[in-house]
Amino acid sequence: GNSVTQMEGPVTLSEEAFLTINCTYTATGYPSLFWYVQYPGEGLQLLLKATKADDKGSNKGFEATYRKETTSFHLEKGSVQVSDSAVYFCARHGTALIFGKGTTLSVSS
Amino acid sequence: DTAVSQTPKYLVTQMGNDKSIKCEQNLGHDTMYWYKQDSKKFLKIMFSYNNKELIINETVPNRFSPKSPDKAHLNLHINSLELGDSAVYFCASSQDRGTGQETQYFGPGTRLLVL
Repeated sequence: GNSVTQMEGPVTLSEEAFLTINCTYTATGYPSLFWYVQYPGEGLQLLLKATKADDKGSNKGFEATYRKETTSFHLEKGSVQVSDSAVYFCARHGTALIFGKGTTLSVSS
Repeated sequence: DTAVSQTPKYLVTQMGNDKSIKCEQNLGHDTMYWYKQDSKKFLKIMFSYNNKELIINETVPNRFSPKSPDKAHLNLHINSLELGDSAVYFCASSQDRGTGQETQYFGPGTRLLVL
C-alpha cells in the first residue's frame, strides 16, 4: 500500500544533542517527500522537502536525504535547541499528503 | 497577513448540534483541503477541492459536508455532532491540482470539543 512510517516518540534530548527521526515510505514510483513541524498550539509548517531521489532538503539546521534504495527520508539535526521542541511529521505525496503518525521531540536545557 | 485562516479557533458544543468551520486563503491557490487530527496527533485527509470542484472525498461520514463558494474559501459543515468528532481540524491550500507535490500551507486549526 501507500503509507509512511516514522519512529514512535516521544524523543527526549538535551540541548546540543544530535537528532535523528527515522521515516520510511511505501509507494509506487518516486513520490515527493516532506517533513512538516507542528509547534505547540499551532498548525503545521513545512520544514523541508525533496522531490526526487538523492535530493537533500535542508532548513533551520535540519536535513533529510531522499534515499530510494532504502525508501527512507530520515530527519537529522546536528545540535538541537529547546526551541526545536515540537511534533515532526514525515509525509509523502499522493492525491493529498499522506502523513506518518508524528514524532514528539522534547529538548531540555 | 495570514495566508490560511480558520474560524473559529475553538469550538465547544453539545452532541447532536450542527456546526460550521470556515477557511479562507489569500495565497491565490487553486486547491484547498480539510484534514482531521485526532487526540494521538494522527493527521488524515478528509476532503480537497480544486477550483470549487471536489476532487478528494475520503471515507468520512456524510454528516460532514464541505462547501466551496469560491476557490479562496472552503467551509466544513458538520451535522448531528458526535463525541468522536472531537479533534483538531486543519484547513490547507496548495497551488497544484491536489497531486500533493507542491507545498501545502496550513491554517492554525480549529479545536472542536463535543460534550
